[in-house]
Amino acid sequence: NAGVTQTPKFQVLKTGQSMTLQCAQDMNHNSMYWYRQDPGMGLRLIYYSASEGTTDKGEVPNGYNVSRLNKREFSLRLESAAPSQTSVYFCASSVEGYEQYFGPGTRLTVT
Amino acid sequence: QKEVEQNSGPLSVPEGAIASLNCTYSDRGSQSFFWYRQYSGKSPELIMFIYSNGDKEDGRFTAQLNKASQYVSLLIRDSQPSDSATYLCAVWRGSYIPTFGRGTSLIVHP
Repeated sequence: NAGVTQTPKFQVLKTGQSMTLQCAQDMNHNSMYWYRQDPGMGLRLIYYSASEGTTDKGEVPNGYNVSRLNKREFSLRLESAAPSQTSVYFCASSVEGYEQYFGPGTRLTVT
Repeated sequence: QKEVEQNSGPLSVPEGAIASLNCTYSDRGSQSFFWYRQYSGKSPELIMFIYSNGDKEDGRFTAQLNKASQYVSLLIRDSQPSDSATYLCAVWRGSYIPTFGRGTSLIVHP
């Protein structure tokens, strides 16, 4: 039982490059989330998926796209990376209204 | 706008003391309340959750909820250096999205 897994753990991109962050959970949760965490800013929600086949914008969606591939997997794509997207990205899953389980995070640096 | 407020700290307490972390929220319709601990460089992990007014105890941790005053607190008894971390408060209203506070940094010094 791995919980929530994320790949990659670290990534360095040049401005304008694209990449996809992968997330998978094995807890049969309906809801999945992508957050970014910057110093002093707490967790900010980028996108979430309440169930397979649905996605919705969170607080800071600009510059990102998501895909809920199936119940287990929820990916985050940066189409044209910018230095402002340098951050730590966390994926999480939950049963609605209950505690969230977080992945180990991806540390992204955009130069 | 729904808000969850936490004092950023750092809150510094001596080993063995009680650490008291507070969180206030603006949405009176909030239903579920969670405390997460986050060590530096790691992901948040659940410490406590509480749904009803009053106290809930789990080992050295006690969560306290007062819906009338719109605050939730976390008490850590017999604080240990290993409790040094950032503590995040999260509040659900019954939608799919929780609202997180920015966290309180706790330092327990020997």
